[in-house]
Amino acid sequence: AAGVIQSPRHLIKEKRETATLKCYPIPRHDTVYWYQQGPGQDPQFLISFYEKMQSDKGSIPDRFSAQQFSDYHSELNMSSLELGDSALYFCASSSLTSGRRETQYFGPGTRLLVL
Amino acid sequence: SQQGEEDPQALSIQEGENATMNCSYKTSINNLQWYRQNSGRGLVHLILIRSNEREKHSGRLRVTLDTSKKSSSLLITASRAADTASYFCATDADSGGSNYKLTFGKGTLLTVNP
Repeated sequence: AAGVIQSPRHLIKEKRETATLKCYPIPRHDTVYWYQQGPGQDPQFLISFYEKMQSDKGSIPDRFSAQQFSDYHSELNMSSLELGDSALYFCASSSLTSGRRETQYFGPGTRLLVL
Repeated sequence: SQQGEEDPQALSIQEGENATMNCSYKTSINNLQWYRQNSGRGLVHLILIRSNEREKHSGRLRVTLDTSKKSSSLLITASRAADTASYFCATDADSGGSNYKLTFGKGTLLTVNP
C-alpha cells in the first residue's frame, strides 16, 4: 500500500538559510499534518491542511509557512533557519470517512540539520 | 501542559515477558492512538481506540481506554528483541471541526533484552 512520501529525507543547511520540505500524502487522503520532533522529544504539531485550506495551527514559528496544493501535496517552507530548528520533521495524512476521523499515517520524516 | 504522558519513561524487560505502558491525558478525546518509533526513524501506527471503546486487540497488542480516568494502557505480550523502540500515545482532542491534530506523550523507551 502507498505510504506518505517525504522529501528530502536529509537536509543540511546553514543558519539564516531557507529550506523547503515536501510531503505527498496517501492517495485519497484529504488532510495533511506537519509535526516537528526535536532530539529526545515527542512530536509537536505545527500546522494542518484540510482540502487545501489551513485547518489548524500549532507551535509553528512565524518564520515557517506551509501550503497544500491542488494535488494535495504539501510544502513546509522554513526561512531564517536557526540552530534550534534542527529536528525531524514529519508529515502525516488522514482521511475523513463518513464523518469519522481516521488514523494519521506518518511519513519517514525529513531530518534537518542546521549548522 | 502535555496532553499525553507516558509511564514509565523507560522499561527494560527480557524477551518473552510482557510489557505494559501507560498513558494519561487531560482533555476529552475522540480517540487515542499508539505509535512506535525506532531510534530516529518514522512513526509507525500501531492501534487506534475510539472514545466509546474500552479495549482493543491487534496481534500481540492489547490496548485499554478508561475515559473516566483519562488513561490508556498498551500491553505487548510475549515481547521480542525486535519490539525494542519508543512507544508514544497520541490523543485527538475533541475540538470539533472536520480534522484534528494529535498531541503526543513523552513516550516510553522499551528495551527487550534477548
